[in-house]
Amino acid sequence: EPEVTQTPSHQVTQMGQEVILRCVPISNHLYFYWYRQILGQKVEFLVSFYNNEISEKSEIFDDQFSVERPDGSNFTLKIRSTKLEDSAMYFCASSPTTNEKLFFGSGTQLSVL
Amino acid sequence: QKEVEQNSGPLSVPEGAIASLNCTYSDRGSQSFFWYRQYSGKSPELIMFIYSNGDKEDGRFTAQLNKASQYVSLLIRDSQPSDSATYLCAVKFTNDYKLSFGAGTTVTVRA
Repeated sequence: EPEVTQTPSHQVTQMGQEVILRCVPISNHLYFYWYRQILGQKVEFLVSFYNNEISEKSEIFDDQFSVERPDGSNFTLKIRSTKLEDSAMYFCASSPTTNEKLFFGSGTQLSVL
Repeated sequence: QKEVEQNSGPLSVPEGAIASLNCTYSDRGSQSFFWYRQYSGKSPELIMFIYSNGDKEDGRFTAQLNKASQYVSLLIRDSQPSDSATYLCAVKFTNDYKLSFGAGTTVTVRA
């Protein structure tokens, strides 16, 4: 069964450093998403991406964040200058259409020290 | 403000019993509703989706939707210890691309 893959599974970084989280969505899906979940808290939406542009973003997704689809398969989330409060599990998700279920990757646990 | 509300639990049920989970949402025009299961440290896993009023059954799971009351529920019949997890209600609000998630209800099934 096709799945969303995320790398790395764990990322440890120093405050102020840049990180790039990588995702390969399911191949025939058109809508891509990043969510995050701080330990013990709810799953929070960051950004959605369709047709090579951001279709929706949350207040969390400020100028420190960016997304890119550099080729036909990868979808990346960049955090330019990490803060302690960016420590969370980051989930990539994809869906074939905007009204259908989201399929989640296994996540990247980001720890900012 | 568009919200998805769930009773946070924890909900403890004996093995073999029915677990009943509730979710309310704020946008009357919402059309798509999802239940995800999340084990600790893992990603959300879709278990049910429902688009129309009424009941939808899949194995031991039944989703119930009442759009007039802005209410969606999940029943887990014959609960098993492996059902112990956090259950997330997710709603696609009108004109949104994203799914909005509730805080989740933690279910513990006692053997």
